[in-house]
Formats: sequence, C-alpha cells, structure tokens
Amino acid sequence: DAGITQSPRHKVTETGTPVTLRCHQTENHRYMYWYRQDPGHGLRLIHYSYGVKDTDKGEVSDGYSVSRSKTEDFLLTLESATSSQTSVYFCAISTDRPSNEKLFFGSGTQLSVL
Amino acid sequence: DQQVKQNSPSLSVQEGRISILNCDYTNSMFDYFLWYKKYPAEGPTFLISISSIKDKNEDGRFTVFLNKSAKHLSLHIVPSQPGDSAVYFCASMDSNYQLIWGAGTKLIIKP
Repeated sequence: DAGITQSPRHKVTETGTPVTLRCHQTENHRYMYWYRQDPGHGLRLIHYSYGVKDTDKGEVSDGYSVSRSKTEDFLLTLESATSSQTSVYFCAISTDRPSNEKLFFGSGTQLSVL
Repeated sequence: DQQVKQNSPSLSVQEGRISILNCDYTNSMFDYFLWYKKYPAEGPTFLISISSIKDKNEDGRFTVFLNKSAKHLSLHIVPSQPGDSAVYFCASMDSNYQLIWGAGTKLIIKP
C-alpha cells in the first residue's frame, strides 16, 4: 500500500472556524490531490499540486486553500468552515498525471461542520 | 451537470454470477477511462482502465468494455465473489488531465 496518512481521521467543528486537514506521504510522489466525496456526486477535485509550492484549483475550490511547502505534505485549509463543507475528504498521490499513472488514496477525513 | 453518470446507485448479484456495472459520459472528447473500487472507511483503489483506442481491456476477473459511439462503458466481474462487495466508481479524463468521477454504484454480492 502507498504510504499516505491523513489527519485527523474525524473532526467536528463549528461554522466559522478555521480547519486544516493534513496529508502526508512517504512515497516521494510529485502529484498530490485533495478531493471531497458527497452522496450523489462521487469525488470532486478541490485542489491539486504538481510540486513544492506549485498548486492549482480544481472544480470545487471556493472556500478552500492549500499549501505544499515540502514534497511529503499537502495541507487543505477551510478558512471559515460552513455546513456545506461537511464531507469526506480524500487525499491522493501519483507519480505523474492521472492519464499516465493511477492515483493512490488515503483513508479519508470525515469532517462535520455544525 | 454530471459529465460522468452511473445511473444505478446499487446492484445486488448472486455469488458466482456476472456483475455488470454501467457508466455513461457526455463529452466525446474524453479518451481515457478508469474504474476504482472503494471499501467502507477506506480510500478508493485503482481497478482497471481503458483508452479510447481500445474497446475492451481485461485483467483477470475484471473486463471493461467501451462503446464510444454510445458514450458508454461497462465493467464486468466474472465470477462475482463476496470480496467484490464495494462501491465502484467510474472516472474519465478531462482536457486538463484531471479525473471526472461518477457518483458510484454499490455492488452487493449475495452468498
């Protein structure tokens, strides 16, 4: 199994509070991704990174920011959490673009915003 | 507006029989398709893929068929086993090389 660790695994927070989710990999893969999974929507890309300090937006990036200061860590921040951001968040890594290499996923973070 | 659709939220199949999971897409420019499998409390794992230059790809018990004219692909699992019970996601590549995912189909294999 690919070495991907997401923390925390579960979090409950209140509307308006900042939240940071962490993804840590031990595989030295270049690409890292943050997805959210909601019923009826499958997985939707929030942000992705193609190298240290190189990030780009996905299809549902509003309300989220990311940072990648080291190859192994990719942080997802909700600056001011809203109830619509209640979801399961998955981090994924790959050695190359999804067209060339498959993605490996972490086990997910269940986030509840009350 | 979902570009990748899995119209069956769930599917129940007898152990040993064939499971057929379906996926439709709307964008004729999509040229690479993947299936991922997900168990509860785990992340998705890659299962099988197919490029638009092919109409079939096989890996053991798993076969993916692509019908470009119908914008339809299907995943066949033969024979179905209890460990195949999971949620199956279909995904396709967009023009930005990112994956567009279907909503998933929950497959239940009955003993």
